[in-house]
Parts: sequence; C-alpha cells; structure tokens
Amino acid sequence: DSGVTQTPKHLITATGQRVTLRCSPRSGDLSVYWYQQSLDQGLQFLIQYYNGEERAKGNILERFSAQQFPDLHSELNLSSLELGDSALYFCASSPSGGNSDTQYFGPGTRLTVL
Amino acid sequence: AQKVTQAQTEISVVEKEDVTLDCVYETRDTTYYLFWYKQPPSGELVFLIRRNSFDEQNEISGRYSWNFQKSTSSFNFTITASQVVDSAVYFCALRINAGNNRKLIWGLGTSLAVNP
Repeated sequence: DSGVTQTPKHLITATGQRVTLRCSPRSGDLSVYWYQQSLDQGLQFLIQYYNGEERAKGNILERFSAQQFPDLHSELNLSSLELGDSALYFCASSPSGGNSDTQYFGPGTRLTVL
Repeated sequence: AQKVTQAQTEISVVEKEDVTLDCVYETRDTTYYLFWYKQPPSGELVFLIRRNSFDEQNEISGRYSWNFQKSTSSFNFTITASQVVDSAVYFCALRINAGNNRKLIWGLGTSLAVNP
C-alpha cells in the first residue's frame, strides 16, 4: 500500500459526460501528479501540482482540468468524454516535487466510456 | 531528446529461472534519476528502485538486482529464481533535471509471465 488513495476505483460513463476523479496524497507529500495509461499510448504524464499550484503540464487535453485543494487532495475533471478517453488514470504523490523525489502511485481509477 | 526504451515487449519464463529486463535510456542531462516500477495484474504501480546518475553501484534487494551502466546508458533489472508472483508488467522510467518539469519519461514496459 503506497499511502496514495484514489476514488472511485472504477467508473463507467457515456460519451459527452463529465466525471471527477479524486486523489489523496501520502501524508506529508505536497506534490501530486496525474497520469493516463492507455493501451495504445502507454503511460502519459498529464499534470503536476505542488502545494496547490500547478507546477508542470504534460499531454493534458483542454477538455481535462485538475486542481489541488488546501488539504492537498487533488481532483482531475474530464469533460465531453470520448471513447478514446477510456483508460486507467493514476495519481502519484511525492514529498516536494523535486527531481530526486520518488513518486508513489495510487491504485488508479479505471474509466470506461461507452 | 529524452527517451526510455524497453526492447523486450513480453518475456515468458518457467519458475526458478533467472530473467533480465533491459532498459536503455537517452538523455543529454548529466543529472538524472532512473526508476523501476512493477504493475501486477491488479493494476497498481509499485515503486521498486530509484537510482541517480552519479551512483553507478549495482544494487541487490533479495531476489532483485539492478545493473546501472552509464557507458551504455542502461539500467537493467534481474530477477533471480523467478516466482509466479513476479508476473507483472515492469516499467523503467527516467526523470531529468529540467527546470520545473519533474515528469517521468516512461518506457513501454516489459510484460513478464512466470509459469509454474
């Protein structure tokens, strides 16, 4: 158990809908990262937050947004969902977001868009 | 450009065999970190090891060992006396010191099947 929690574990929804994925980092970690894992793209970095502020952006679509709250939990919002958004979404956390940090991953949320 | 290559897509071995998973990376940075993660069938990503670019010492942890060679830009992972529970997808990842961007650059993974 990494100490990172993600909810829900599974999510099934329809095209065009909007969903919110939630992540609670390990106790004491200030940085949160979101990743998407799909069969054709592998693991793709989406976005990083550090202590409530956006730190880095990766291959995140405009239909997706995220935020980190004062209690350090984070939410990833996916809107106007398409079939291709079906994937496993991981949240990871690390103490400071520094280069030497190890990222610890949550169990993931499996999103299925029908 | 930064890149991680795991040339072996799938490996199948019989229990108790030793198996080595290859990882080759590309970066122009002199300071970087390499990681291995395990993704068992249950889907979670489990951290295995972190190695920085200035530490070329090989590491052993139980049946797991890692061979870091800067000269060949490789960070290979060996499982000795493999067990069925080692069946998983293993990912190698690179993290560079690029300003505020701390993202991990991932290989495509090697799927290891250990058969009884």
